[in-house]
Amino acid sequence: ETGVTQTPRHLVMGMTNKKSLKCEQHLGHNAMYWYKQSAKKPLELMFVYSLEERVENNSVPSRFSPECPNSSHLFLHLHTLQPEDSALYLCASSQDHSGAAEKLFFGSGTQLSVL
Amino acid sequence: DQQVKQNSPSLSVQEGRISILNCDYTNSMFDYFLWYKKYPAEGPTFLISISSIKDKNEDGRFTVFLNKSAKHLSLHIVPSQPGDSAVYFCAARSYNTDKLIFGTGTRLQVFP
Repeated sequence: ETGVTQTPRHLVMGMTNKKSLKCEQHLGHNAMYWYKQSAKKPLELMFVYSLEERVENNSVPSRFSPECPNSSHLFLHLHTLQPEDSALYLCASSQDHSGAAEKLFFGSGTQLSVL
Repeated sequence: DQQVKQNSPSLSVQEGRISILNCDYTNSMFDYFLWYKKYPAEGPTFLISISSIKDKNEDGRFTVFLNKSAKHLSLHIVPSQPGDSAVYFCAARSYNTDKLIFGTGTRLQVFP
């Protein structure tokens, strides 16, 4: 148990659906992240929130919309996705965003399939 | 272009022997390196790290070696145990961006 909980664990959606991924951290961390892991590719950073403010958006298409209502919760709203968006979406948190020694604590991920 | 490369997608080692997982990087601005371990259906968990001012860091059965001139680091696990079977990700952080760049991972299987 890493202290970072993601729901749902699995999600299948059509290209016209709207769904949301949820992440909650119980570690008192100040920074939260969304990563995408596609098959045989490195983990790709999508969004970073520090103290509830978005500090980084790595050229992610607008069909992915993050929301951070407080320091413990992070959402990823999905709409009109494409089949190539099928991947494992991982949420992570760290004490702070800056600093070389920051370690990330990951959730178990949401395995997303877009049909 | 991948800045962090794990060229071996898989590795199979007998229990009790040494496992050596390799990682190469291209960005000379990387100054901090981490290894994460991932079991199926779980997120990656932090394993061990090393700063660029060191060439070795040891934690129990796990040792990370850094060769800055070769831009290469390796993770040694000795002795290897079946519970070490997982995917291992190398990651590197650039001091000027704070971004953590991951490799594609190496799947380690430790058999009895």
